[in-house]
Amino acid sequence: EDQVTQSPEALRLQEGESSSLNCSYTVSGLRGLFWYRQDPGKGPEFLFTLYSAGEEKEKERLKATLTKKESFLHITAPKPEDSATYLCAGGGFGNEKLTFGTGTRLTIIP
Amino acid sequence: DTEVTQTPKHLVMGMTNKKSLKCEQHMGHRAMYWYKQKAKKPPELMFVYSYEKLSINESVPSRFSPECPNSSLLNLHLHALQPEDSALYLCASASSDLYEKLFFGSGTQLSVL
Repeated sequence: EDQVTQSPEALRLQEGESSSLNCSYTVSGLRGLFWYRQDPGKGPEFLFTLYSAGEEKEKERLKATLTKKESFLHITAPKPEDSATYLCAGGGFGNEKLTFGTGTRLTIIP
Repeated sequence: DTEVTQTPKHLVMGMTNKKSLKCEQHMGHRAMYWYKQKAKKPPELMFVYSYEKLSINESVPSRFSPECPNSSLLNLHLHALQPEDSALYLCASASSDLYEKLFFGSGTQLSVL
């Protein structure tokens, strides 16, 4: 059975304090590892897709990386507007279903 | 237009009511999804429609009945729900080539009394 585990469950950072969120995965025939951002009461918003180990993608203060067992979402010099829950999800070949992790609730304190 | 529109945004219903949730997208996507999300939990897949045909039903109770009238619309009919069904119901769509890049709507916050 596919599994995606995220840590930490919650993270509080001062504005400008960089850190990383972790996503460990066991997905059969991984076709992609996906990161979403979710604000309270809203649907998840797509951020990145990573397809192979060693791949990196960046968007503003966020950078996502992928190894054979983990993905990291690095946040550099975060701002209060980066506060959200960040969800990681894995999808396997021949499977329309994404397996989501439980998310990391990120709070950036001004 | 890169939006998935869900209505209503909020819904309160009794256990004997019948109601419907609606979802619409105009991105030409051929896969549409219903997810259920409880507070502080990840989204849980309920149904997947691919080319207007139901392709995945995650053993969802029959009090939830999905319908895909055409490639742009997705409905979720609700009947005789239980209080534990209270949750955020999310619709999502994806192109036929990139099932994983899901575009989510803002959801319907459902409360069952």
